This record gives sequence, structure tokens and C-alpha cells, in this order.
Amino acid sequence: QSALTQPASVSGSPGQSITISCTGTSSDIGGFNYVSWYQQHPGKAPKLMIHDVSNRPSGVSNRFSGSKSGNTASLSISGLQTDDEADYYCSSYTSTSTLWVFGGGTRLTVL
Amino acid sequence: DVQLVQSAAEVKKPGESLKISCETSGYTFIYYYIAWVRQMPGKGLEWVGILYPGDSHVRYSPTFQGRITISADKSTNTAHLQWSSLEASDTAIYYCARPYGSGDFSLHYWGQGTRVTVSS
Repeated sequence: QSALTQPASVSGSPGQSITISCTGTSSDIGGFNYVSWYQQHPGKAPKLMIHDVSNRPSGVSNRFSGSKSGNTASLSISGLQTDDEADYYCSSYTSTSTLWVFGGGTRLTVL
Repeated sequence: DVQLVQSAAEVKKPGESLKISCETSGYTFIYYYIAWVRQMPGKGLEWVGILYPGDSHVRYSPTFQGRITISADKSTNTAHLQWSSLEASDTAIYYCARPYGSGDFSLHYWGQGTRVTVSS
């Protein structure tokens, strides 16, 4: 069982918006602003989409945004495109001995 | 350009040893930590450990402590992940990755992954 909880799957139609949640505890998401989101297409390495809760690396579309409230972080994608179909993972620094935790991943299907 | 190039896929038997590598280029190796991440077949990402090449300090995830060794070769700007005795449950893709900034808690640059298959 992953330390951070994500829905197993979400879906949306092209052009729509979706949000993926990531729930942790006060030892990780709630305690620090070190939440990251990664996109992974089948057979590919993960790609950083959001870091430090809401910051986009250079080159990432502004259709992707991140936020946090309490122990829950969220990734929102607006104007869904077929290429957005992928697995998405959240991650957070944690004050426990684990140091770093990932969510179990969410499969986004663009119908 | 920053690049992390990992060694080729491996097929091993239970009990065998293995060392995989992550060769870096395009930046000063000792200034940025390298993280290793495991992805078991059809599963999610798991943090394995972090290597600080400057002083070779390593921090392991409790899940992997005692089962793997992470090391650095500063002469070749390469990070290594090794097992002394593989088990079938070690079958996975292993990624190395680096942050954008040396103090960041996110992984910006990723290797292509090394697939490790352990089977009798």
C-alpha cells in the first residue's frame, strides 16, 4: 500500500478538465510544500510536470496546474488532449525515516 | 545538456549478484544528488535511495535498506545500484534521476531505466 493515496483512474473527454487528488498526512503533504507530480506514458520514463506544489518546469504546458489544501494535493489538467492519456504519480518529502513517498498512481483516460 | 544514461537490461538467476549503472554528463557530478526509483511490473513508483556524490553519503528507503548498495564513481561520473544476492521480487525497472536544483525535492532529469529480470 502506497504512502500517498490517489484514485486508481480518472477519465475525461478532449477539451474537458479533470483533477487528480493525492492524500497524505501532516508528516508529508500537510507539513511541507514539496509535492511533485509526474506523468508517465507506457514504456517511458516519468516526466516531472509540477514541483513544489504548484510550479511548472520550463516546457510544461500551462494546462497543468497544482495546488494543496491541508493533507491533500491536487493536479488539474484543463483542455484535455489525447496525449495527456498516461499514468500520473504524486510524490512528497516526508519527515519520517522514509524521506520520500509516492502515490500509487492514477491512470488518466481521454475518451 | 544534462543526460543520465543507464546500463542495458539484465536477466539473472536468483542468488546471483548484479551491478547496474547510471552514467551522467552535462553537469558537475558531485553537485547534485542522484535518486534511484523502482517500478515493479504493472506497479507504481517507489523510492529506493539517494546518493550524494560529493561525499558519497547514501540514504536508503527502509524498504531496501540492507538489500541493495548505492555507490558513486567520481572518476566516471557514474552512480551504481547493486545487489549481492538477487531475488525474484527484485524484478523491476530501475530508474536513476536528478533534481533540477541541488536542493530540490523533485526529480527533473531521468535515465531511460534498466529492466532487471530475475528468474530461475
